[in-house]
Amino acid sequence: GAVVSQHPSWVICKSGTSVKIECRSLDFQATTMFWYRQFPKQSLMLMATSNEGSKATYEQGVEKDKFLINHASLTLSTLTVTSAHPEDSSFYICSAPRLADYNEQFFGPGTRLTVL
Amino acid sequence: GQNIDQPTEMTATEGAIVQINCTYQTSGFNGLFWYQQHAGEAPTFLSYNVLDGLEEKGRFSSFLSRSKGYSYLLLKELQMKDSASYLCAALDSNYQLIWGAGTKLIIKP
Repeated sequence: GAVVSQHPSWVICKSGTSVKIECRSLDFQATTMFWYRQFPKQSLMLMATSNEGSKATYEQGVEKDKFLINHASLTLSTLTVTSAHPEDSSFYICSAPRLADYNEQFFGPGTRLTVL
Repeated sequence: GQNIDQPTEMTATEGAIVQINCTYQTSGFNGLFWYQQHAGEAPTFLSYNVLDGLEEKGRFSSFLSRSKGYSYLLLKELQMKDSASYLCAALDSNYQLIWGAGTKLIIKP
């Protein structure tokens, strides 16, 4: 199957700092990538849809200025959590659909963010 | 609105069979996915159904009824490693995944 990587796999930072998370599709091109956040014992919550060459589409309640998304190429999307606070601590997961016969989404391994 | 319902938690015995149900209401429909997620890990793909009927893949099978907005995941010959959360997700008319909250499956020896 297709492979999506995420970096870093975990990060611990101080409150007020910014953290960048990278999502790469390794063996296919992805014009669209999705960013999810998952809190403990909860399901995935879609934060935004990252579109190559255009602005990201954010879900209701997600702050655009806080969660900056850049889809610089057909294989790379980045999520930057700006001025992180403890409540931003979560598991962040990206996914990329490969437009085959059923638009299966391939997930990255996730990034565990802990803000102290 | 769009909605996915599945049980919060289920318990089954090693070697037995368990069925996890999922009902959905979406704006348009382009298929239904089942994912397995172990704690602290990203989801992994199990199955995809877009036509009515049963799809069998080894110990796992998935069923879909579009007219009833209903799907189930059937796990046979349960193993301890099957203890995980199972996520049901429907693809709407915009090809956006609508996620259920997940069913935590606990396997007992």
